[in-house]
Amino acid sequence: NAGVTQTPKFQVLKTGQSMTLQCAQDMNHEYMSWYRQDPGMGLRLIHYSVGAGITDQGEVPNGYNVSRSTTEDFPLRLLSAAPSQTSVYFCASSYPAQGGAGELFFGEGSRLTVL
Amino acid sequence: SQQGEEDPQALSIQEGENATMNCSYKTSINNLQWYRQNSGRGLVHLILIRSNEREKHSGRLRVTLDTSKKSSSLLITASRAADTASYFCATDVGSFGKGTRLHILP
Repeated sequence: NAGVTQTPKFQVLKTGQSMTLQCAQDMNHEYMSWYRQDPGMGLRLIHYSVGAGITDQGEVPNGYNVSRSTTEDFPLRLLSAAPSQTSVYFCASSYPAQGGAGELFFGEGSRLTVL
Repeated sequence: SQQGEEDPQALSIQEGENATMNCSYKTSINNLQWYRQNSGRGLVHLILIRSNEREKHSGRLRVTLDTSKKSSSLLITASRAADTASYFCATDVGSFGKGTRLHILP
């Protein structure tokens, strides 16, 4: 099994450009989420989804959009990139556990630089 | 704000010694999880402890949970060079702390 696959692995954008980070999982997980990781800040939750058609905001949602049209895919869209969005982005999925996320399976990350 | 906070931020120990890192959280949880991240890689799940459990073991890992103090600890026994990594706790709402950077000295 491929697990959680993120593309692209690296991306450089100019301020104001838009792009989509792709995330796909083949484990039939209902729960999917996006995090950003910045030095000294740990992982911060951007958006999450508990199933197809359902999304919700996390801790730092501003500047990002998500949709969940299928169980497998959970793309993250940057509408107008800003230098503050330079970060490493991780997608994760899990079976839902009581009250929230279970064991999370992570992708290898997408490293985004906004100039 | 982030739910879990690890302590210490960084830890260096000699190979073979035990490593202990702690996690504090702010609100009620259903479970707490620990993850490892090797440099430049995604996070890997280590262990999950439920709110009605006090202690859990997995190989060289021992996790404790004290819901009255809203804290958890991760003990790695007989450390190895391969244990060098960052370790994160996470609550069931998907909130992570900033991590403990563990460095095992040869």
